[in-house]
Amino acid sequence: DSGVTQTPKHLITATGQRVTLRCSPRSGDLSVYWYQQSLDQGLQFLIQYYNGEERAKGNILERFSAQQFPDLHSELNLSSLELGDSALYFCASSVVGSPGYGYTFGSGTRLTVV
Amino acid sequence: GESVGLHLPTLSVQEGDNSIINCAYSNSASDYFIWYKQESGKGPQFIIDIRSNMDKRQGQRVTVLLNKTVKHLSLQIAATQPGDSAVYFCAEKDNAGNMLTFGGGTRLMVKP
Repeated sequence: DSGVTQTPKHLITATGQRVTLRCSPRSGDLSVYWYQQSLDQGLQFLIQYYNGEERAKGNILERFSAQQFPDLHSELNLSSLELGDSALYFCASSVVGSPGYGYTFGSGTRLTVV
Repeated sequence: GESVGLHLPTLSVQEGDNSIINCAYSNSASDYFIWYKQESGKGPQFIIDIRSNMDKRQGQRVTVLLNKTVKHLSLQIAATQPGDSAVYFCAEKDNAGNMLTFGGGTRLMVKP
């Protein structure tokens, strides 16, 4: 157990729908990072939050949004889902504002859009 | 956490042999590098890291080599074991950003 908890583990939904993925960071970690792992693009950085504030944004679609709550858990919202959004979505956490030793991944949420 | 069938380069080695996994990076401003291991059903797991002011770092059975001249990173695994079978990713961070950029990954298969 890495200490980073992601729920749900699996999610199957239809095109056009909206889903929310949840991540609880490791105890004491202030930063949360979201990554997408798809068939043809490997691990792609989506967005980072640090202590409730957005810190960095990567290749995140406008249909996707995220937030980090006061208790430091984070949610990734995916809307108007398309078949191509099917992927593994990983959350990682770290203590400080930038990745270093202690950048720990959760086990991921497998999203299947049908 | 499995690699969802990515068409990855594969390295096949015999149990007990040494493995070398290579990674090329493109950003000369990258100052920190990490190797991750991803087993089926799990998220990427930290193996070893190295800062750009070093060219070699050793861990338990693993060594990372950094050649900044040609922007090349390698992971050496000594006495490879069946439990080392996984997908290995290198990742880099530049000196200004907060995100890690991942390489495409290499699948290591260990034959008993």
